[in-house]
Amino acid sequence: AQTVTQSQPEMSVQEAETVTLSCTYDTSESDYYLFWYKQPPSRQMILVIRQEAYKQQNATENRFSVNFQKAAKSFSLKISDSQLGDAAMYFCAYRSLTGNQFYFGTGTSLTVIP
Amino acid sequence: NAGVTQTPKFRVLKTGQSMTLLCAQDMNHEYMYWYRQDPGMGLRLIHYSVGEGTTAKGEVPDGYNVSRLKKQNFLLGLESAAPSQTSVYFCASSYSLREQFFGPGTRLTVL
Repeated sequence: AQTVTQSQPEMSVQEAETVTLSCTYDTSESDYYLFWYKQPPSRQMILVIRQEAYKQQNATENRFSVNFQKAAKSFSLKISDSQLGDAAMYFCAYRSLTGNQFYFGTGTSLTVIP
Repeated sequence: NAGVTQTPKFRVLKTGQSMTLLCAQDMNHEYMYWYRQDPGMGLRLIHYSVGEGTTAKGEVPDGYNVSRLKKQNFLLGLESAAPSQTSVYFCASSYSLREQFFGPGTRLTVL
């Protein structure tokens, strides 16, 4: 099984500031997908951003961007101009291009301080 | 479209009782998944299905069974519930495997 590691169980950020959540993964594959999911207090899991490993350009979705370092097997999420609504649990996930299973990290709980 | 729905939303069982969790999706997705979420452990895959009539084991399948008789439904069964199965259960579906769509979750407590 693939391993996805989120070493920060909890993070906090001041409103309007920038925060980076870390994720590392272990794989011998060369082609795969990486994901960041958000789980607010409502428990509903929402896809934040997706990165295809074959793409060198880092994915961006509005205030959310990633720093994908393939050689280092690192996939961090940067949230700019943090808002109160960003407070949630964030999960990093991996899927091999040839596989059907998604592997999730243990999550990082983000608190946004007004 | 309702997306992915889960029934029930909450349930309390006694040890040894059985129950079935229902997941339904109206997006015509081939792939469906059952996860459990426990504090500090993220989401762990229990079973999954790559199409109607198929099922496969995930990371933590022991104590659970599944069935996918209809494409839109994926059932998760607990034959003899144990306190270790107290968890929040999530169903997810996917069309292209480039994204998963999740249900709202079922909170199960086994006493």
